[in-house]
Amino acid sequence: DIVMTQTPLSLSVTPGQPASISCKSSQSLLHSDGKTFLYWYLQKPGQSPQLLIYEVSNRFSGVPDRFSGSGSGTDFTLKISRVEAEDVGVYYCMQNIQLPRTFGGGTKVEIK
Amino acid sequence: QVQLVQSGAEVKKPGASVRVSCRASGYTFSGHSIHWVRQAPGQGLEWMGWLNPNNGDTNYAQKFQGRVTMTRDTSIRTAYMEVSSLRSDDTAVYYCGRGTFEYWGQGTLVTVSS
Repeated sequence: DIVMTQTPLSLSVTPGQPASISCKSSQSLLHSDGKTFLYWYLQKPGQSPQLLIYEVSNRFSGVPDRFSGSGSGTDFTLKISRVEAEDVGVYYCMQNIQLPRTFGGGTKVEIK
Repeated sequence: QVQLVQSGAEVKKPGASVRVSCRASGYTFSGHSIHWVRQAPGQGLEWMGWLNPNNGDTNYAQKFQGRVTMTRDTSIRTAYMEVSSLRSDDTAVYYCGRGTFEYWGQGTLVTVSS
């Protein structure tokens, strides 16, 4: 199984400041079709997770442009350019290149 | 709009079985896989398996093989996940999700307690 490792475990951010979360996979997520199957989700308190970013850097419908994803191979980053109060929750990365799908352990983001 | 609506919370005794449903609307049910994930209290997300609603094919995480069954009823656009031989550590919120989890159900809390 592919192991997904997220850092940090938690993040306390002042509103308006940037935030960055790292996700590393134990195997390359680059498919032979040229796509890289790394996804980012946010689980707000008391809610189901929601898709933010698919295939490393593509924002899902309705996701604000302050969220961006980057990376390649086994090393990925989610950045929030200016954190807002509504961004609190737990962020997860997930690989979708092979079964079983595996998630990172999560990064909890809170507001200072 | 795409919606996945799950069945309500369940309380079960150890050794029993539970079936959770996931009713889809707003898209072609047979055109997208349905995956199931669970989240134990205060923990992260654990993938359990997936179902192809078009032909009923399934693939389960090794941890759940023999104890989980995923099925569907295309006439009512509903996917099901049944877990048997429940233990206390199966207490969790169970989620269904479409495809690459671009859409999620609201979650179903299953509590296993004697």
